[in-house]
Amino acid sequence: SQKIEQNSEALNIQEGKTATLTCNYTNYSPAYLQWYRQDPGRGPVFLLLIRENEKEKRKERLKVTFDTTLKQSLFHITASQPADSATYLCALANSGYALNFGKGTSLLVTP
Amino acid sequence: DGGITQSPKYLFRKEGQNVTLSCEQNLNHDAMYWYRQDPGQGLRLIYYSQIVNDFQKGDIAEGYSVSREKKESFPLTVTSAQKNPTAFYLCASSIDPTGASETQYFGPGTRLLVL
Repeated sequence: SQKIEQNSEALNIQEGKTATLTCNYTNYSPAYLQWYRQDPGRGPVFLLLIRENEKEKRKERLKVTFDTTLKQSLFHITASQPADSATYLCALANSGYALNFGKGTSLLVTP
Repeated sequence: DGGITQSPKYLFRKEGQNVTLSCEQNLNHDAMYWYRQDPGQGLRLIYYSQIVNDFQKGDIAEGYSVSREKKESFPLTVTSAQKNPTAFYLCASSIDPTGASETQYFGPGTRLLVL
C-alpha cells in the first residue's frame, strides 16, 4: 500500500540551529513533492515544491532535497527561529492522482 | 483580497442532522478539494472537483456529499450517515484542472463538533 511517513515525534531544537525533517514514501512514483506548514487550528500553507528531476531547492532559509532512489525528501530550516515552530507536512502524488499528505512533524524552536 | 474562505469557523451538529460547510474562493482556480483532519492525523481527501458540475470521491467520501454549481463555490454536506463527523475540515483549491500535483491553497478550516 502507499505510505508517506514523517517523524511522529516532535522535533525540539534551539534557536539558531538547523532543523531537519524527514519524509519517506513507499509505492509512489511522484513527479513532485511538496512541503507545507500548518499552525494550530489553521489551514496548511504551501512552502516549497520540488520536481523529480531536481535534487535540491532553496527558498530563503528553507532547503528541500529529493532523492527518488531512497524515496526520501529532507526539509531543512537554517538559523531556526521560535516563529518557525509549527507542524510541517510532506505531500506528494503519482501523476494524474490527487495529492496525499503525511501526518506531519511538529517542530518546536526554543530561545 | 484573494483567497479561500470557509464558514462557519465552528459548527455544531445534533444527532441525525445534516450540516453544510461553506467554501468560497476568488482565486479563479478550477480545482477544489475537501479534506478532513483528525487530531494527530494527516489530511484525508473527502471529495474533489476539477471543473464545474463535476466531482470525484476521495478516500473517505462515505457520509458526505458535495456540489459544484459555480466555479468559486464547493460546499460540503455532512450527512447523518457520517457516524463520526467530529473533525477539522479544510477546503483547498489549485490552479490546474488536473490538480493532481499542483500547489494547493487552503482555507482557514471549519471545526465540526457533535452535540
